[in-house]
Amino acid sequence: QVQLQESGPGLVKPSETLSLTCTVSGASISSSYWSWIRQPPGKGLEWIGYIYYSGATKYNPSLKSRVTISVDTSKNQFSLKLSSVTAADTAVYYCARAPNYDIWRFDPWGQGTLVTVSS
Amino acid sequence: QSVLTQPPSASGTPGQRVTISCSGSSSNIGSNFVNWFQNLPGTAPKLLIYWNNQRPSGVPDRFSGSKSGTSASLAINGLRSEDESDYYCAAWDDSLSAYVFGTGTKVTVL
Repeated sequence: QVQLQESGPGLVKPSETLSLTCTVSGASISSSYWSWIRQPPGKGLEWIGYIYYSGATKYNPSLKSRVTISVDTSKNQFSLKLSSVTAADTAVYYCARAPNYDIWRFDPWGQGTLVTVSS
Repeated sequence: QSVLTQPPSASGTPGQRVTISCSGSSSNIGSNFVNWFQNLPGTAPKLLIYWNNQRPSGVPDRFSGSKSGTSASLAINGLRSEDESDYYCAAWDDSLSAYVFGTGTKVTVL
């Protein structure tokens, strides 16, 4: 079965760039859409953006100026970079898969990784 | 502030039916499919309902979804202790050009 695992630093300083990687197992990354979603502590879910294996991307306009999502098909991974972070970017970050025919059917999700923005 | 509004909480005793509402507008629920996700803190969120009322394989038929106009609902029949979790609706919003989640509802099994 398809499994996703997020990885990256758990602590990032304000104004720096948050970098996370999602490793996909059980399926080729060259077959679906891949999203990043986050959840600040005690708050709801927020979609960040997605990438297709071809490199095509779509970002949430509220974060677009600071977000870059990329894919490495040779490693079966995709990555998130969020620049100029502040405390408001502290959240659990999830990666998720969606099929070609329904880009919003997030299934499955990774377990999530907590990123804290603090000096 | 989410554009999809859910009640903060809902509760029921084992075996009861619980319904969660999701209120939106013509730019999201009114013109796009609604999905529902179960989010137990500390675990990976899980897709419960897609395309308004379809269940992925493995999701019990106790869970059902519906949509009418600019609102959607998730019903849990035969409530069980393991259903105690947070639930989120979600849909594409044409005006925001973003996929948006609801405010979330915490279901408690009494």
